[in-house]
Formats: sequence, C-alpha cells, structure tokens
Amino acid sequence: DTGVSQNPRHKITKRGQNVTFRCDPISEHNRLYWYRQTLGQGPEFLTYFQNEAQLEKSRLLSDRFSAERPKGSFSTLEIQRTEQGDSAMYLCASSPRTGGRNTIYFGEGSWLTVV
Amino acid sequence: KNQVEQSPQSLIILEGKNCTLQCNYTVSPFSNLRWYKQDTGRGPVSLTIMTFSENTKSNGRYTATLDADTKQSSLHITASQLSDSASYICVVSPSGGYNKLIFGAGTRLAVHP
Repeated sequence: DTGVSQNPRHKITKRGQNVTFRCDPISEHNRLYWYRQTLGQGPEFLTYFQNEAQLEKSRLLSDRFSAERPKGSFSTLEIQRTEQGDSAMYLCASSPRTGGRNTIYFGEGSWLTVV
Repeated sequence: KNQVEQSPQSLIILEGKNCTLQCNYTVSPFSNLRWYKQDTGRGPVSLTIMTFSENTKSNGRYTATLDADTKQSSLHITASQLSDSASYICVVSPSGGYNKLIFGAGTRLAVHP
C-alpha cells in the first residue's frame, strides 16, 4: 500500500505528557498537511509544508504544538504537555505540487485520547 | 464564522434509494470545491473535484454539481448501497496558495436495508 501512512493509529496518554505522531506521505508528494478533527466536525487545518519548509501555521497550533519535516519526506507532529482538549483525530495529507486541483490524499489518522 | 455549511446534518435512507446532499459556502474567491467520503474512524477519501468553471462532475454513482453564482453545491447519490453509509464532507479551497482546504462539518448518511 503506497498511501499516506500515519503512526501510531491510536494513542492514550495522561494529561501533561508529550506525544508525537508520524506521517509518511505518498512518495514524491512535496506538499504535506496536518489537520485536526473532533467528533461530528470536519477537519481543521493545522499546518502546511512544501518540501521541508513549513509555510503556514494555523492559530490553532499553539506553542505546545510543533511540526517538522526535516528532509522533506516524513513529518512529525509533537504535542507537549497534553491537555484533555487535545483529544482528537490528527490527520495527515499529501499532494503533488503540479496544479491547483490535485487530489489531496489523507491518511487514516492518529487518534489521541488524553485522560 | 463557518464558511462551508452542509445540510442536512444527518440522513437515513433505504438501500436502493437516491439522495442529495447540500453545501453552501461563502469562501470567495475559490479555486475548487471537493466532496470527500469519510467512513467512521477513517481518513477522508476524495470523490470529486470541480473548479469554479465546472457545473457537474460524476464518479460512478456519485454526481456533484456546482453553481458558483449562488455558491451552492450538491452531491447526488444514485441507487444507494449499504457501503455508502458514511459522512460526506464538502471542502472548498480558496484561490491562490497551496490547496488550503476549508471543510464543512459533513452530512452523516445511514443507508438501511
């Protein structure tokens, strides 16, 4: 399967702990996105990378959140000092660079539960 | 403010019936409008993509329409199947930039036998 891969799929953590999610985009997709989705809502944009450059961050991405894409391939999303309000599904997506109407492919998401 | 509104919030239909889901948006100018299908606990899967100049786009039993003047789109599902049970999300991408996506909250469709 050569789709967008996310790990871990599920994570339960105690409040105050740090968590890290990894995303492996489709090979040769240079655009990578992170979204957050809570129950009953559509995904909300968090951040966008083009290659290794982080070009936009949502105000939803507080200073406890950091995302990296060090070599322009896989990306990590770290949440420090987790809070119960961080419980959500974190979605990663990727797309190729050419054109504006490319299909954007989503991973299966990483579910975070903060207890 | 919610820039993409979908209706109904939820819908129950019998297998084999047709249905139409609605999407109104205020994003302007916009580059393209997409419909995604999302099964519970899974990532969204693309169904259709339309630019502002396109009126309709089909993908099997799914047909999307777009009226850029009234800023409305619809997704019509023909001869529904049990596997169509999912959330259907309308997504608008503003002009310029890099395909930043603005999602609606989705319509939850349940197809019953």
